[in-house]
Amino acid sequence: EVHLLQSGGGSVQPGESRRLSCVASGFAFGSYAINWIRQGPGKGLEWVATVGGSGSPTYYNESLRARFSVSRDNSKNTAYLQMQGLRAEDTAVYFCAKEHEIGSTGDYFDSWGQGILVTVSS
Amino acid sequence: DIEMTQSPAILSASVGDRVMISCRASQSVSMWLAWYQQKPGHAPKLLIYGTSTLESGVPSRFSGSGFGTEFTLTISSLDPDDFATYYCQQYVDHVGFNFGGGTKVEIK
Repeated sequence: EVHLLQSGGGSVQPGESRRLSCVASGFAFGSYAINWIRQGPGKGLEWVATVGGSGSPTYYNESLRARFSVSRDNSKNTAYLQMQGLRAEDTAVYFCAKEHEIGSTGDYFDSWGQGILVTVSS
Repeated sequence: DIEMTQSPAILSASVGDRVMISCRASQSVSMWLAWYQQKPGHAPKLLIYGTSTLESGVPSRFSGSGFGTEFTLTISSLDPDDFATYYCQQYVDHVGFNFGGGTKVEIK
C-alpha cells in the first residue's frame, strides 16, 4: 500500500525558513515524480512544485520559484520542500502527492500525504 | 498558465439528487482532466482521471465527461458520504498543474 508521511510543519516567524519532508513507502519511490500542493485556511488547492523521480526536472509555481525549492533523496525515500523568506500568506496546509505514471512529470496525483500545517506569524 | 474555473462554488442538494459540477479551462487540456474529492481535515482523494475514468474503488454513481475546455462531474444519486468539496485539475501543462477553485456540495 502506498503511503506518504509528512513532517516538518509548525509555527515560524516571518522571514524564516522551513523544510518539509515527505517519506514514501509501498512503491518504487525513485520512479515517480512527487508534487507539493498547498491549501490556505478556507482556500482551494494551489500547486506549488514538482520534482522528477531522479531529482529532475523540477517545476515551480512561478509566484513561489524565488523562495521555494524541491529536492529528494531516493536513498531515504524522501522528498523535500525547502521554503525561505516565509510570509504570512504562506500559512497553509502543505501536501505532497505522488504522480500516477512511472517516469513522468505530467500526470494526475493518485496518492497524497496527510498534509502538514505551516503557520507563519509573529 | 491554464486557468481552471469551476461552477457553482457552492451547491446545495439533497440525498438522492443528481448533481452536476462544471469545470472550464482557459485553453484546451484535451482529455487530461482529473477530479478530486476533499473532506474537511483530510487530503484530497482522486475520483476520476482522463476526464472519465473512475479510480479503483470509486462508486459508479460518479462519472465524468467533456473534452477540450468544458468538463462535468456528475453524481447520479447523491449519497450522504458525498457531501464534500470537489476540485478539477488539468495535467496537460506540467509547468503548472492548476486546480479549479472548488465546488462545495452541501446538504440542502
